[in-house]
Amino acid sequence: AQSVTQPDIHITVSEGASLELRCNYSYGATPYLFWYVQSPGQGLQLLLKYFSGDTLVQGIKGFEAEFKRSQSSFNLRKPSVHWSDAAEYFCAVGARAAGNKLTFGGGTRVLVKP
Amino acid sequence: EAGVTQFPSHSVIEKGQTVTLRCDPISGHDNLYWYRRVMGKEIKFLLHFVKESKQDESGMPNNRFLAERTGGTYSTLKVQPAELEDSGVYFCASSQDSNYGYTFGSGTRLTVV
Repeated sequence: AQSVTQPDIHITVSEGASLELRCNYSYGATPYLFWYVQSPGQGLQLLLKYFSGDTLVQGIKGFEAEFKRSQSSFNLRKPSVHWSDAAEYFCAVGARAAGNKLTFGGGTRVLVKP
Repeated sequence: EAGVTQFPSHSVIEKGQTVTLRCDPISGHDNLYWYRRVMGKEIKFLLHFVKESKQDESGMPNNRFLAERTGGTYSTLKVQPAELEDSGVYFCASSQDSNYGYTFGSGTRLTVV
């Protein structure tokens, strides 16, 4: 069975500082990996996804994530956060063998200090 | 293009009542998914439609939940009778093919009191 762990429930970061959100997954084969963001009052927006190929994936809003098979990780990074990045971030894993359904982590809420 | 639309955005009902949530997917999207997040827990898969057929309903919690997608367009998710533990946010998503191009709606926040 697939599982996703986001170890940090809350992270507070100063505006302009860098951000890294951790994600560890458990899956027997190469998974499809995703990061979603949910801003207040909004739906889940896809930031980026990894299916295969280059393990460093660029997404929208200046985010990137790196797939590390040896560590079963897919951490999300942004070099310089903006106040508008305050939101909840979800890592998810999926696989065609699982019928394309997604398994989500518990989410990390990011607070941005001025 | 219009996104995935869900309504109502919020619903507060009493235990034992019935509630119906609706999802309008992006036009032309054959795949429609329901997920939910109960308080403090992960977002969990409920079921997947391909057109009007249920492809996978392994995540439906019990028989109080009924999902339909008549005509392969919009979908409804009915909870009857609602219980306190059904409170949470119900998300709908759609995609044109099975290639994970999910677009999520804003969700319906259901509160059962």
